[in-house]
Amino acid sequence: DAGVTQSPTHLIKTRGQQVTLRCSPKSGHDTVSWYQQALGQGPQFIFQYYEEEERQRGNFPDRFSGHQFPNYSSELNVNALLLGDSALYLCASEAGDSSYNEQFFGPGTRLTVL
Amino acid sequence: RKEVEQDPGPFNVPEGATVAFNCTYSNSASQSFFWYRQDCRKEPKLLMSVYSSGNEDGRFTAQLNRASQYISLLIRDSKLSDSATYLCVVNTYNFNKFYFGSGTKLNVKP
Repeated sequence: DAGVTQSPTHLIKTRGQQVTLRCSPKSGHDTVSWYQQALGQGPQFIFQYYEEEERQRGNFPDRFSGHQFPNYSSELNVNALLLGDSALYLCASEAGDSSYNEQFFGPGTRLTVL
Repeated sequence: RKEVEQDPGPFNVPEGATVAFNCTYSNSASQSFFWYRQDCRKEPKLLMSVYSSGNEDGRFTAQLNRASQYISLLIRDSKLSDSATYLCVVNTYNFNKFYFGSGTKLNVKP
């Protein structure tokens, strides 16, 4: 049973470019959340998708957008990249959208913006 | 004010020691609580959920104090393999967002 998978593992972009990160949830999970983790910090919640809709959003600008597909996989898009967007981007999945659910994390995509 | 605050450490302890971490949260409506462990350059993994009555899993004990809005993690008989960053996580029912603390780094020395 595959856990949460993310691609690519590493990515290098330059300022102003756009990037798309991908996530496949754990089998049986239908809810996907995205987090940004800067070096030395805890993960910061970006948004959550459930039933192909954005259900919750953290304090991130509109440059950060996402999508969930019918098979529950998800994409995170970031436009007009800034140096400060360099971070580890984590995807987490769970079954349903209860606040009591454990979230399972993927290995992350490490984005470097030059 | 941050939603969740933790002492970043590092806590440097010898093998066999007992070590405790605390974490405070600001939203009194918070409903579920977790401790996650994160190894260097890896993803966070659930260590344990934290229940109102407190709970224990082997060498690990978690407690919740709603009145003072903090949760704690106690590790007994520390092992070298316990070296990691421990993340406190709080979720609020109305918003179903996980709020992570910045993590407490633990180094267990031989």
